[in-house]
Amino acid sequence: DQQVKQNSPSLSVQEGRISILNCDYTNSMFDYFLWYKKYPAEGPTFLISISSIKDKNEDGRFTVFLNKSAKHLSLHIVPSQPGDSAVYFCAASALGAEKLTFGTGTRLTIIP
Amino acid sequence: DTGVSQDPRHKITKRGQNVTFRCDPISEHNRLYWYRQTLGQGPEFLTYFQNEAQLEKSRLLSDRFSAERPKGSFSTLEIQRTEQGDSAMYLCASSLSVSGNTIYFGEGSWLTVV
Repeated sequence: DQQVKQNSPSLSVQEGRISILNCDYTNSMFDYFLWYKKYPAEGPTFLISISSIKDKNEDGRFTVFLNKSAKHLSLHIVPSQPGDSAVYFCAASALGAEKLTFGTGTRLTIIP
Repeated sequence: DTGVSQDPRHKITKRGQNVTFRCDPISEHNRLYWYRQTLGQGPEFLTYFQNEAQLEKSRLLSDRFSAERPKGSFSTLEIQRTEQGDSAMYLCASSLSVSGNTIYFGEGSWLTVV
């Protein structure tokens, strides 16, 4: 039962352009969403989060958008840089629950 | 560096042996989590502690797995009688018990069971 889905296993984007990573969820109890970035053989690094009371959160080059009615969130990276090449995981948690449920990840490759 | 620290980073063991991983969380964080990640998958929740109390365990955590956090500081995850299916990256994370569940991961401990 995959409650958090990242349907694109990989994405390639030209350096300087916008990268858009997508995530869908099925559990309507989820109220907090996060994006993590992971390099090979390292642990995930927190990037940005959003609460369900918001529909957008921005931090530098990273913006997360949340569409609660569609149960969809996206991460925008602009401009994309070579160092952004990594696997990106979407994660969600429900109110009162401590665990995060992760998607399967999207491998982003930035082409110089 | 005051991030989450895990040891060892890599462990190769023979099937049937016991292994233990250690995690030192960020010093002011009272919550500590263990996750497991296999290739092509996202991290999967195993268990979490608030201070020294283990408050939740996933059904993924079989009887061969035990986690402790004796003084509410560092934690250990022991796997007894390892099986090849235990091969994975074991991730420790920590957080403060405030609103929003942003957790911070360590670099992980790779386990290979041969």
